[in-house]
Order: sequence, then C-alpha cells, then structure tokens
Amino acid sequence: DTGVSQDPRHKITKRGQNVTFRCDPISEHNRLYWYRQTLGQGPEFLTYFQNEAQLEKSRLLSDRFSAERPKGSFSTLEIQRTEQGDSAMYLCASSSRTGGESSYEQYFGPGTRLTVT
Amino acid sequence: AQSVTQLDSQVPVFEEAPVELRCNYSSSVSVYLFWYVQYPNQGLQLLLKYLSGSTLVKGINGFEAEFNKSQTSFHLRKPSVHISDTAEYFCAVTHPQAGTALIFGKGTTLSVSS
Repeated sequence: DTGVSQDPRHKITKRGQNVTFRCDPISEHNRLYWYRQTLGQGPEFLTYFQNEAQLEKSRLLSDRFSAERPKGSFSTLEIQRTEQGDSAMYLCASSSRTGGESSYEQYFGPGTRLTVT
Repeated sequence: AQSVTQLDSQVPVFEEAPVELRCNYSSSVSVYLFWYVQYPNQGLQLLLKYLSGSTLVKGINGFEAEFNKSQTSFHLRKPSVHISDTAEYFCAVTHPQAGTALIFGKGTTLSVSS
C-alpha cells in the first residue's frame, strides 16, 4: 500500500494558462474524490468517481474545470484559462468499495498546490 | 444540507496539558462523523470516526472523541498533548451512504509549546 500520490506537488502558472493535475489512488480503491482547499479553510468537495464514472459534481466545479478517470485507475483534473481565484491546494482522496466501515474512510494524497500569478 | 462548525480557530496549549477541540454539526438526517489531522504541507490523515455504536470512539495518537446526538457535537480530546501534535485539525461529516462527499469544518490550529 503506497498511499494516494499526486503530481505535481507544486504548480505555478500565469493567468489564462491551462493546467492538469494527476492523482493515483490506492490500487484497490474504486472511489476517487477531488477536493479544493484554500488558505484558512477546510477542504471543499469538487467531484467524485466510482470506477470510471463521474457520479457527482459540486457547483464549485465551473465549466473551466474537467476531471476524468479513463480506466478507473488514475484521475486527472484540468483547469482551463486559470484565474487567480483558482490558487489553492487540490487534494485527491480514495476509498474502497469493500463494504463495512472501511468504505467510508477516505485516504488523502499530499495535494497539489497551485499558484496563479 | 449538512454543515460543520469548529468553534475555535486556534487553540494554544502547553505540552502535557489536556486539550479539547470542539465541533458541532447541523444535519436533518443521521450522519457519520470524522476527525482528520493535517501536518504542514501534507494531506489529511484520518484520526478517528463515528459511524454507529459506542458514542466514545478512540483513534490514533491517543485521541478520542465523543458523539453527542442531543448536542449535535463531536468534540475531540487528548489527555496529554505533545509538541508533535501541533497541526491543523478538521472535523467532517458525511451522509451514511458510501461514496458521498465529506463536508469539512474550517479547521482548528492546535499549537503545543513547551
């Protein structure tokens, strides 16, 4: 169990550029979540996948944001035409479907810190 | 809709002192409750969770929390803190349906000094 990994850990970009982040969940986990955390706030839910299906999207996920999980393994989060307000930590989490209490435990990656200048 | 309120944004304590971090939630349905810890520049680590059963739950690193349905609270406690407990602590709630998102509070910064 290597845990949830995210790449890159830090990204600095200029306003208007596109950025893409990657998340690799724990290998046997079929559920994957993206959250956004701004300074001084708790994480806020963005979107959720079960296998390759995107089952839920927050209203925070504007049309400039798109997430994919093409083969039900890793996921990517793309932000188009970045704005300064997109500066935040983007966290990925995964959980298993085995049932029971463990299915409610979300395991988080270290996050990708995005700075838009 | 569910929401979480962490009543203290910062809690400074001395090493070996007891600590309580307060969390209240609001929900029209039953909920599951969690506490996570976040060390600087790291992701969140699960400390403990309440799903059902005993209202006193024990977690890692000597932390425990008590679910109080009438008070809609889930306060986190530790009888004796260490310098290494300095971190950000988040209370979270979710609907009892696997796969639903966590709703987090704004966090409490615990600062332990010697």
